[in-house]
Amino acid sequence: SAVISQKPSRDICQRGTSLTIQCQVDSQVTMMFWYRQQPGQSLTLIATANQGSEATYESGFVIDKFPISRPNLTFSTLTVSNMSPEDSSIYLCSARGPGIGSIGELFFGEGSRLTVL
Amino acid sequence: AQKITQTQPGMFVQEKEAVTLDCTYDTSDPSYGLFWYKQPSSGEMIFLIYQGSYDQQNATEGRYSLNFQKARKSANLVISASQLGDSAMYFCAMRGSGGYNKLIFGAGTRLAVHP
Repeated sequence: SAVISQKPSRDICQRGTSLTIQCQVDSQVTMMFWYRQQPGQSLTLIATANQGSEATYESGFVIDKFPISRPNLTFSTLTVSNMSPEDSSIYLCSARGPGIGSIGELFFGEGSRLTVL
Repeated sequence: AQKITQTQPGMFVQEKEAVTLDCTYDTSDPSYGLFWYKQPSSGEMIFLIYQGSYDQQNATEGRYSLNFQKARKSANLVISASQLGDSAMYFCAMRGSGGYNKLIFGAGTRLAVHP
């Protein structure tokens, strides 16, 4: 398994501002993903964070709104830009790779709960 | 396109009884994996059990078992001897053979275990 740490764990933000969420894994992983979980809903994949290159975004998510960085094999950031109340969600970082997730399961961080006023 | 369907928004079960949570899927990939996760009220996602599309036997992990019916494209989770701590959201997820092995999730089932 792996320990995935996210920060902040929660935040209250003002409309129009941006917030960056950090994700740190305690071992090197090949794949990192960012999910969004809106209140009472399931998990929706935002993007795959690629090390050293641009993230791969799912339909309905764009880089200008959710820029992602992944400078190395253990760290990634997700920025939620120009926030509106509709962005109030839990944002979850997840990972898999050699030594963890060997059957393809993802390990998740504890999530970052954002509330936009 | 891949799709996961969980048709039970909520279920309840008496403590010590068994409960089945339904999951059906749709994919054209010959190779895929099916997962169940538990999300307690605290919010973390806990991996429970995995079934590969080529696995001959149903997966089991302690009190969790997966009733895998490939022809029906169903992968139901069975929890035996329910405990109060089993009260949580349960998500079925699928990984395909392509697309960076990302997981897609069903809508989830909220399970309440009653004493």
